[in-house]
Amino acid sequence: EAGVTQFPSHSVIEKGQTVTLRCDPISGHDNLYWYRRVMGKEIKFLLHFVKESKQDESGMPNNRFLAERTGGTYSTLKVQPAELEDSGVYFCASSLAGTGLNQPQHFGDGTRLSIL
Amino acid sequence: AQSVTQLGSHVSVSEGALVLLRCNYSSSVPPYLFWYVQYPNQGLQLLLKYTSAATLVKGINGFEAEFKKSETSFHLTKPSAHMRDAAEYFCAVSDRGSGNTGKLIFGQGTTLQVKP
Repeated sequence: EAGVTQFPSHSVIEKGQTVTLRCDPISGHDNLYWYRRVMGKEIKFLLHFVKESKQDESGMPNNRFLAERTGGTYSTLKVQPAELEDSGVYFCASSLAGTGLNQPQHFGDGTRLSIL
Repeated sequence: AQSVTQLGSHVSVSEGALVLLRCNYSSSVPPYLFWYVQYPNQGLQLLLKYTSAATLVKGINGFEAEFKKSETSFHLTKPSAHMRDAAEYFCAVSDRGSGNTGKLIFGQGTTLQVKP
């Protein structure tokens, strides 16, 4: 079984540019989560999809961030325009739905985003 | 609000010595608790989880953790450290209260160094 796949693995862009991160969850996983770790800080929740619907986007920093999950499969996270403080590692995770909150989340390797 | 505190951002042990990584949580209801490990240049991997079935939870790679409600703790232990255990370890909590989406709240992470 393929795991959660994220790409690119690294992205270096200049302030003001746009970047789109992609996450392919494990097949059949309805839940998809985005997290971010800024250097020196803890991993923080950004948002949660169930299939194509946003269930919780309370962690999204501001309106420069836009997440989509069209068709309930892969998800994208766009940052436009990127700012210096957006640098960090962005993780995606997926889990099964309908069997309770104790389903473990499976994480991708993350995308390391550097804003210059 | 829920929170997780990992005591010690860096822990160093000798190979063969006991590993003890500390985690305390704050939650209004009994939570689900997790330990994840991140090896260099990889994503987060689930070590073990507590979902109320048993207070002593055994995970992969010889790790285990004990849920102590009276101490609001979920410390991670391993009797004998191996060089391959060198990694960063994250404790996380997920609220099982109604309306929760399963998002994880992470501690700050503890980097484990294993000396030969």
